[in-house]
Amino acid sequence: GENVEQHPSTLSVQEGDSAVIKCTYSDSASNYFPWYKQELGKRPQLIIDIRSNVGEKKDQRIAVTLNKTAKHFSLHITETQPEDSAVYFCAASGGSYIPTFGRGTSLIVHP
Amino acid sequence: DTGVSQDPRHKITKRGQNVTFRCDPISEHNRLYWYRQTLGQGPEFLTYFQNEAQLEKSRLLSDRFSAERPKGSFSTLEIQRTEQGDSAMYLCASSPGRQGETQYFGPGTRLLVL
Repeated sequence: GENVEQHPSTLSVQEGDSAVIKCTYSDSASNYFPWYKQELGKRPQLIIDIRSNVGEKKDQRIAVTLNKTAKHFSLHITETQPEDSAVYFCAASGGSYIPTFGRGTSLIVHP
Repeated sequence: DTGVSQDPRHKITKRGQNVTFRCDPISEHNRLYWYRQTLGQGPEFLTYFQNEAQLEKSRLLSDRFSAERPKGSFSTLEIQRTEQGDSAMYLCASSPGRQGETQYFGPGTRLLVL
């Protein structure tokens, strides 16, 4: 089955800095890679996703890059703000229709 | 609210009791998923339905767990003879049904087994 590794587990940055979270996956058949943000006590919410037919996608301060050859994808947040503080999960899914989630990255943005 | 809803939001029970959770997906979403999430972990897949058919179950889903989606709309997850290790957040998600489509999560049911 699919295996998704996510790093780092904790990321602490100063407001205004950039943050990068990286994930690797094992199943070359995976073709959909969403990123979710989960604030304490709340549901995971999709913030951005990418499909295997593109290498990069951007939405305001958030971008995701995908390297299919190396089987890794990354989340980039620029100009971080305190409200970006949350746990971020990557996931990978493909033929099984079932996403496998990473273990999460706790992002702390210090004002 | 047209999002995924779950009920109850919190459940405290004693070991050995049975509990049942309900999930109402976004209308017209034909896929419905159940996950379990413990502190510091990502959601772990339990089972999923396409319409009323339960298509896959995780090895995590012991015989004490059963899920139904009788009319292809709402779903229930029952845990029989609860154990302390069942304490977790149980999340439901739905998706339109095409491969790789975005899943929309409900607020979860937090279960505490004493």
